[in-house]
Amino acid sequence: GESVGLHLPTLSVQEGDNSIINCAYSNSASDYFIWYKQESGKGPQFIIDIRSNMDKRQGQRVTVLLNKTVKHLSLQIAATQPGDSAVYFCAEIFFNQGGKLIFGQGTELSVKP
Amino acid sequence: EAGVTQFPSHSVIEKGQTVTLRCDPISGHDNLYWYRRVMGKEIKFLLHFVKESKQDESGMPNNRFLAERTGGTYSTLKVQPAELEDSGVYFCASSQYVRETQYFGPGTRLLVL
Repeated sequence: GESVGLHLPTLSVQEGDNSIINCAYSNSASDYFIWYKQESGKGPQFIIDIRSNMDKRQGQRVTVLLNKTVKHLSLQIAATQPGDSAVYFCAEIFFNQGGKLIFGQGTELSVKP
Repeated sequence: EAGVTQFPSHSVIEKGQTVTLRCDPISGHDNLYWYRRVMGKEIKFLLHFVKESKQDESGMPNNRFLAERTGGTYSTLKVQPAELEDSGVYFCASSQYVRETQYFGPGTRLLVL
């Protein structure tokens, strides 16, 4: 069946350190993997995505790595800032299913000043 | 450009009552999705509209939930009668095309007592 899960529900890091948030998935048929950030009282906000045939994609301070061999996805945040504190969700998208997203449970990132 | 808006932001009702949630997608977005996050769990897909047509309602929990999108603009999600397990945050998202980023609204926090 389809499922996307996270290894750690909470992560606490010191400001300025790098953060790594992990995600495991079981369905190999997805088209893209996406990371969303959800701040308190707000809806999920798109951060970065990676096509399923890629291994790595970089954005501004964020990098997503995809390891299809072990079905593992990670989000790396460089020089973590207090504003990065939020819940991070990984998700798969299936274009042949109308673009619906299948989310993981979420990891709460807490940045200590 | 205005983002996705949802109303109300919070709703507290008693078991057995009816609640109607509203979502206004980004103007011009044909695709509208409803998702729900029950406390402590992942965000789950409920259904997908393309314009006024339901494309996929495979995630709707049961027949107490009714979604509409008359005219292909805003959408409503009615829960009647509400049960305790319906408590959670209901998110709406929209996109212009299936292969494009979904933009989420801030969510409606529903508490059924």
